[in-house]
Amino acid sequence: DGGITQSPKYLFRKEGQNVTLSCEQNLNHDAMYWYRQDPGQGLRLIYYSQIVNDFQKGDIAEGYSVSREKKESFPLTVTSAQKNPTAFYLCASSIRLLAGVTDTQYFGPGTRLTVL
Amino acid sequence: DQQVKQNSPSLSVQEGRISILNCDYTNSMFDYFLWYKKYPAEGPTFLISISSIKDKNEDGRFTVFLNKSAKHLSLHIVPSQPGDSAVYFCAASARNSGGSNYKLTFGKGTLLTVNP
Repeated sequence: DGGITQSPKYLFRKEGQNVTLSCEQNLNHDAMYWYRQDPGQGLRLIYYSQIVNDFQKGDIAEGYSVSREKKESFPLTVTSAQKNPTAFYLCASSIRLLAGVTDTQYFGPGTRLTVL
Repeated sequence: DQQVKQNSPSLSVQEGRISILNCDYTNSMFDYFLWYKKYPAEGPTFLISISSIKDKNEDGRFTVFLNKSAKHLSLHIVPSQPGDSAVYFCAASARNSGGSNYKLTFGKGTLLTVNP
């Protein structure tokens, strides 16, 4: 049963603590993405990765970090430097990210992070 | 500056009738457009997409129309069903300097309610 999993669904952290959100996919997709959604807003791109051991900043990367050590996994760390970390975080993947190719991005179920 | 706009925050239709969701964009470099459906606290589900070389794409009850001169696209759902009630996001992408579409720019969404 292929798909994208994000865990946990709800996460609570104290202000000043780093927290890592998990994203795993078994779709054999090369490209993976992290988005953030705030109430009444569209999704905004935080980071994306085209291939293992490579990743690029999106529009709102400040206060976040990622790693891509395995094709299946793209964890996102929300650091204490992120000023407004409370949000709904969505991970996505697509088959590949190549010039001239447009692949649809498919999303995981999301993680609601609340910083107290 | 919002490059993808969904000017109707909400839309209410009767079961069996047509739902028309609208989206306007300002960036003339966008060449790929997608519609996603989203339930609360879940990830967006891909519905349908269209490339800028087409003006219409159809998939079952869902049809997307693209008017490039007006920078406008719309999603038609016929017939509408109560299970279609959700938030619908319009998204667009443009090729980067490397020729790949990697970043989706989302509208703020339209809440569709289909009444039985």
